[in-house]
Amino acid sequence: EAGVAQSPRYKIIEKRQSVAFWCNPISGHATLYWYQQILGQGPKLLIQFQNNGVVDDSQLPKDRFSAERLKGVDSTLKIQPAKLEDSAVYLCASSLSVATDTQYFGPGTRLTVL
Amino acid sequence: GIQVEQSPPDLILQEGANSTLRCNFSDSVNNLQWFHQNPWGQLINLFYIPSGTKQNGRLSATTVATERYSLLYISSSQTTDSGVYFCAVNSGGSNYKLTFGKGTLLTVNP
Repeated sequence: EAGVAQSPRYKIIEKRQSVAFWCNPISGHATLYWYQQILGQGPKLLIQFQNNGVVDDSQLPKDRFSAERLKGVDSTLKIQPAKLEDSAVYLCASSLSVATDTQYFGPGTRLTVL
Repeated sequence: GIQVEQSPPDLILQEGANSTLRCNFSDSVNNLQWFHQNPWGQLINLFYIPSGTKQNGRLSATTVATERYSLLYISSSQTTDSGVYFCAVNSGGSNYKLTFGKGTLLTVNP
């Protein structure tokens, strides 16, 4: 079974530029998550989708971050404009459908903002 | 929200030694997972264990839900066990997000 796929794996941009990350979850997984992991910390949820609807985006900085999952499968996370403090690893995860299901994580995208 | 505390924050072992990592949480949970984050940043699922005991090779885990803690045991450690171990929990409701602890950094020396 293929795991969660993410691209790109690494991205370096200058502040005020824009960037987009892509995630393809495990086939059949209805729930998709984007987490942000700052160096030295545990991952923190940015947004959770159930199929193509947003369940929780309370910790998403909506003035600069946006995410979509139009067809209920793959998803994109965008930052525009980027700030220095956005330097982090962005992790995508997926699970079948409910809170008690195991979440599986992709390899992450490491973003460096200069 | 739910609080997750992991201990110890750092642990250094010689190859072959055993270790116990602890995760305390502040509320009842319906999802608890242990992860190993390798040096390349990949989060690898070790256990899904909101209650009870599980074993997988040299690793085992126990969660005592009534007392709000979980333990991860690593026996006969190997250098490839090095990395950060995270405990993550979900306390229910419509939000399935996992709340992560700060992790335990394990270094296994040859």
